[in-house]
Amino acid sequence: NIMMTQSPSSLAVSAGEKVTMSCKSSQSVLYSSNQKNYLAWYQQKPGQSPKLLIYWASTRESGVPDRFTGSGSGTDFTLTISSVQAEDLAVYYCHQYLSSRTFGGGTKLEIK
Amino acid sequence: QVQLKESGPGLVAPSQSLSITCTVSGFSLTDYGVSWIRQPPGKGLEWLGVIWGGGSTYYNSALKSRLSISKDNSKSQVFLKMNSLQTDDTAMYYCAHGATPFAYWGQGTLVTVSA
Repeated sequence: NIMMTQSPSSLAVSAGEKVTMSCKSSQSVLYSSNQKNYLAWYQQKPGQSPKLLIYWASTRESGVPDRFTGSGSGTDFTLTISSVQAEDLAVYYCHQYLSSRTFGGGTKLEIK
Repeated sequence: QVQLKESGPGLVAPSQSLSITCTVSGFSLTDYGVSWIRQPPGKGLEWLGVIWGGGSTYYNSALKSRLSISKDNSKSQVFLKMNSLQTDDTAMYYCAHGATPFAYWGQGTLVTVSA
């Protein structure tokens, strides 16, 4: 099974700051036949179901603000929030769907 | 629009089995798969399995022996059954549209395993 490791486990930033969080997979999630990274990012706000933000590592889901950007390839991925808003308080999960499906442990984002 | 709603027993005794129903609308179960994901209180997400439009299934290898996913296309319902529940099976159980990525999720149903 592909293991997903996220870091940091939590971080606290002020509104307006830039945030980056990391996700590393134990094996590459890049499928050579189509050159797609089978990696998604979700946002889960308190008391809510997860919400899809990014898929194919960098494709923003419809309606997701452009301050959210996914990047990376192979085994190393990053979610960047260019200017954090108070409403971005949430836990962020990465998720690989190349081989079976596994989620990272999450990064909890707090607003100072 | 696509909607999913889980319904479950709430409380299950240890060693007993769990049955949860996911009722969907806005899409046909013959065209799209439905996946199950769970989340213990205060913890992360764990994928359980998927049933595809054609009826084939694929399970988390660690739970495969205890899991069964089935569906009734005519009723737009998908069923999750898990056997031999223990306290660490206490979790919010979600169903989601498709095999991945998951753009639509249900609200979840909390299952507590306790005597």
